[in-house]
Amino acid sequence: SAVISQKPSRDICQRGTSLTIQCQVDSQVTMMFWYRQQPGQSLTLIATANQGSEATYESGFVIDKFPISRPNLTFSTLTVSNMSPEDSSIYLCSVVKGNTYEQYFGPGTRLTVT
Amino acid sequence: KNQVEQSPQSLIILEGKNCTLQCNYTVSPFSNLRWYKQDTGRGPVSLTIMTFSENTKSNGRYTATLDADTKQSSLHITASQLSDSASYICVVSGGGADGLTFGKGTHLIIQP
Repeated sequence: SAVISQKPSRDICQRGTSLTIQCQVDSQVTMMFWYRQQPGQSLTLIATANQGSEATYESGFVIDKFPISRPNLTFSTLTVSNMSPEDSSIYLCSVVKGNTYEQYFGPGTRLTVT
Repeated sequence: KNQVEQSPQSLIILEGKNCTLQCNYTVSPFSNLRWYKQDTGRGPVSLTIMTFSENTKSNGRYTATLDADTKQSSLHITASQLSDSASYICVVSGGGADGLTFGKGTHLIIQP
């Protein structure tokens, strides 16, 4: 299994500012992902965090808006830049260990932009 | 377009009763289907994972079924408990963790 922690757990931010969310895993993992879950909606993949290289973004998400770092096999950050109220959402870190189907999710960061 | 549809959208049942949640999908190719439980304010937690060749899998009081021919799955909860109150999300994988299609979930409320 994998134990994932995220910081902060929640935040209220002003329009135009940026917030960096941290994801820490208790063991080395193969893959790390960042998801967004808007109210009443399913999870949407933002990007795959690649160790030592640029993240792979899904359609509709760009690096300038959601810069991601992954300096090692247990840690990643997601920054939500120049925030607007439409960015209010839950942001979830997720990991896969080894070559298994099992995917683990962090507790999420609840972001409110005013 | 890959899609996962879940029903009902929400469900309220009395403690101790059984219930069944449905998941229909149009994902191709198909690798596996997962059911997750998401408590309010928490991340999703895996309940079951089924591949193409599996048609049923249990995890305690949770039993998932899969009909790959009709592209349908169900999650049956037996003798519900208050702690079962949560959202249940059906997720279909086409292969690779970045190829997941998520349903919107069924919001289940267990009343005493």
